[in-house]
Amino acid sequence: EPEVTQTPSHQVTQMGQEVILRCVPISNHLYFYWYRQILGQKVEFLVSFYNNEISEKSEIFDDQFSVERPDGSNFTLKIRSTKLEDSAMYFCASSELQVERLFFGSGTQLSVL
Amino acid sequence: QKEVEQDPGPLSVPEGAIVSLNCTYSNSAFQYFMWYRQYSRKGPELLMYTYSSGNKEDGRFTAQVDKSSKYISLFIRDSQPSDSATYLCAMSKAAGNKLTFGGGTRVLVKP
Repeated sequence: EPEVTQTPSHQVTQMGQEVILRCVPISNHLYFYWYRQILGQKVEFLVSFYNNEISEKSEIFDDQFSVERPDGSNFTLKIRSTKLEDSAMYFCASSELQVERLFFGSGTQLSVL
Repeated sequence: QKEVEQDPGPLSVPEGAIVSLNCTYSNSAFQYFMWYRQYSRKGPELLMYTYSSGNKEDGRFTAQVDKSSKYISLFIRDSQPSDSATYLCAMSKAAGNKLTFGGGTRVLVKP
């Protein structure tokens, strides 16, 4: 079965550093998402992306966050100046058309020290 | 009041028993309802999807939505140890919209 691939699986960074989390969505999918899950808390929506632009974003997704689809296969989340509270598991997801067919990757565990 | 509430468990059942999970929600605008399974340190995996009110069955899984009560359920029949995981409910207002998740219920099926 096709799958969403995320790299790296773990990322450790110092507070204030920039990080880029990478995702390869399923090839024929058109909608792309980032969610995150702080340890012991709910999975939270960050941003959705369609047709090379952000279609929806949460209050969490402030100016330090950005997303990009630099080529036909990758989808990236950049955190410009990381904070301790950005430590979480970040999930990329993609869907073809309808929300019920949302496929998640295995996540990148980001630890900000 | 939280938008989506889910008992965190853990819920421990013997192998072969029926697992009963549920979520309540406060926003009547939710139209799409999903159940995901999440194994430790993995991404959520879609199990069931239901649009609006009604029941849906897929193998050992049955999902129910009661919009009048703002209550959704997932039943797992003939539970197996491999069903041990965290089960997340999720919902959205429209297709393509963001998902709002419950906190998850941890289920343990004992052999």
